[in-house]
Amino acid sequence: DAGVIQSPRHEVTEMGQEVTLRCKPISGHDYLFWYRQTMMRGLELLIYFNNNVPIDDSGMPEDRFSAKMPNASFSTLKIQPSEPRDSAVYFCASSPSKGGEGYEQYFGPGTRLTVT
Amino acid sequence: DAKTTQPPSMDCAEGRAANLPCNHSTISGNEYVYWYRQIHSQGPQYIIHGLKNNETNEMASLIITEDRKSSTLILPHATLRDTAVYYCIVRSRYGNKLVFGAGTILRVKS
Repeated sequence: DAGVIQSPRHEVTEMGQEVTLRCKPISGHDYLFWYRQTMMRGLELLIYFNNNVPIDDSGMPEDRFSAKMPNASFSTLKIQPSEPRDSAVYFCASSPSKGGEGYEQYFGPGTRLTVT
Repeated sequence: DAKTTQPPSMDCAEGRAANLPCNHSTISGNEYVYWYRQIHSQGPQYIIHGLKNNETNEMASLIITEDRKSSTLILPHATLRDTAVYYCIVRSRYGNKLVFGAGTILRVKS
């Protein structure tokens, strides 16, 4: 298996522009997570999905951020409009589940976003 | 989920065992102890997890005290490639959220 795939790996954009980050989870995993990592705040959970349905979006910083999962093999995280403080590494992770118990999460390589 | 406490950094000589401690004194009965690591510029990587018994896999061993208030991750023969930030996380058995703290920076030196 190729693991969790994220694209692009690097994104540089200007303030005010729309940014879309993409994630392909591991096949068969029914949970998908979006995280953000900065030096100041560390690694934070933004939102997670179960069977394509958003379960907890309490970590989404504000309305400029939105996430979708149209099918089991694809998710997007969109920032519109982007701001310099959104600069961070964004990770996608997926995990299987069994009998209602959570399992270990597998992380992608991340997308490094720079907003100028 | 219970909070964990880890030392900010540790050094280890290459080839020696690395023992990374974690305190989780408020852990409850249905909470697991998970360990992840993050090598520079990569995504976090799952290492091991346990509930109350000691666990071992190809990467590491996890020793949990009898009262479950602390645990130790053991890398038996550390290599330079084990230099990373190691996160100890307590998570509900039926929960899915991982709350990452600052972790321990492990530096393996030759």
